Amino acid sequence: KAGVTQTPRYLIKTRGQQVTLSCSPISGHRSVSWYQQTPGQGLQFLFEYFSETQRNKGNFPGRFSGRQFSNSRSEMNVSTLELGDSALYLCASNLGGYETEAFFGQGTRLTVV
Amino acid sequence: AQSVTQPDIHITVSEGASLELRCNYSYGATPYLFWYVQSPGQGLQLLLKYFSGDTLVQGIKGFEAEFKRSQSSFNLRKPSVHWSDAAEYFCGYYGQNFVFGPGTRLSVLP
Repeated sequence: KAGVTQTPRYLIKTRGQQVTLSCSPISGHRSVSWYQQTPGQGLQFLFEYFSETQRNKGNFPGRFSGRQFSNSRSEMNVSTLELGDSALYLCASNLGGYETEAFFGQGTRLTVV
Repeated sequence: AQSVTQPDIHITVSEGASLELRCNYSYGATPYLFWYVQSPGQGLQLLLKYFSGDTLVQGIKGFEAEFKRSQSSFNLRKPSVHWSDAAEYFCGYYGQNFVFGPGTRLSVLP
């Protein structure tokens, strides 16, 4: 079966702009979560969506937001980009139970200049 | 505070040698514990997980990990490392969401 697909793979934006990243989960998976990976901070949880509802949220400013559609696809939006937002953004999907395996996409590499 | 520590930032081993990557966690109860591996430019792949039961869990690619409640540890082991094992390894747990350690980068010498 197809894995988790994240688009685009690479993105370059200017400070102050906004960006939208997309994640298509594995078919049948209802939970999608997002993570930011940077060399300095490692992997940090952004938020999780389950059945179109945000179930958990990490400690990120309100500039980071997300949503999930009825087909479980998810988008993440970052407004007013800052240089420090440059990172690899990973999304993961699972069936929805906390004990089930999460499958990760290859990520979107965002560079803010 | 809830956290995961991986004391070794970078480990280098020779191909064929044994490997142990250390992981300690701090959590109020016994969480769901995981090890993931990330190859350059790739996402994360689950190696193994522990939820309950036998404290020695087997994973893919010949990896195993042992949960020790008294030490709050979940160390990853492999008896004989292959060059293809060179990657970054992340220990973590799932409480309300995934919490990952800082990662250990593994280099393998031929």
